Amino acid sequence: DIVMTQSPDSLAVSLGERATINCKSSQSVLSSSNNKNYLAWYQQKPGQSPKIMFYWASTRESGVPDRFSGSGSGTDFTLTISSLQAEDVAVYYCLQYYNSPVTFGGGTKVEIK
Amino acid sequence: EVQLVESGGGLVQPGGSLRLSCAGSGFTFNDFWMTWVRQAPGKGLEWVANMNRDGSEIYYVDSVKGRFTISRDDAKNSLFLQMNSLRVEDTAMYYCVKSSGFIPDYWGQGTLVTVSS
Repeated sequence: DIVMTQSPDSLAVSLGERATINCKSSQSVLSSSNNKNYLAWYQQKPGQSPKIMFYWASTRESGVPDRFSGSGSGTDFTLTISSLQAEDVAVYYCLQYYNSPVTFGGGTKVEIK
Repeated sequence: EVQLVESGGGLVQPGGSLRLSCAGSGFTFNDFWMTWVRQAPGKGLEWVANMNRDGSEIYYVDSVKGRFTISRDDAKNSLFLQMNSLRVEDTAMYYCVKSSGFIPDYWGQGTLVTVSS
């Protein structure tokens, strides 16, 4: 199984500042056949179900603000919030769908400093 | 608007069974893979099972193989999860998720399963 490791487990960032979340896979999730990274990001706000934010590592889901960006390739990926807003307080998860079983990272909790 | 409504959760003793249901609307149900994902209280997300449009491809996480069965009834826009031989460690919120291939995209609000004596 592909193990997804997120860091940090939690971070506190001031409003308007940048937040960076890392996700590392135990093997590459880049397909040589289509040059796509099989990596998605989800946001789970307190008391809510998760919401997809990015797939193919950097393709933004409709409605996701452009202060969020996804990047990376192979085994190392990053979710960046360029200017943290109060409504961004949540736990963020990465997920690989390169092969079965689909596996999630452990989550990163983002809070306001 | 995509809507997924789960039901069937509750309190069950270890070794017992439950059948979860999920009613989908707002999309063409039989065009999509469907997935179950669970989240133990205060913990992260764990993919449980998924199946393709016609049921010819079904996958399970190792910890539920032989105990859980995913199924669908496209005529009723419904997804199911039959859970047998339940264990304390199966206690979780269970989410029904519409999926584009292996990518879970739209999530229901979940149904809580508690396994306890």
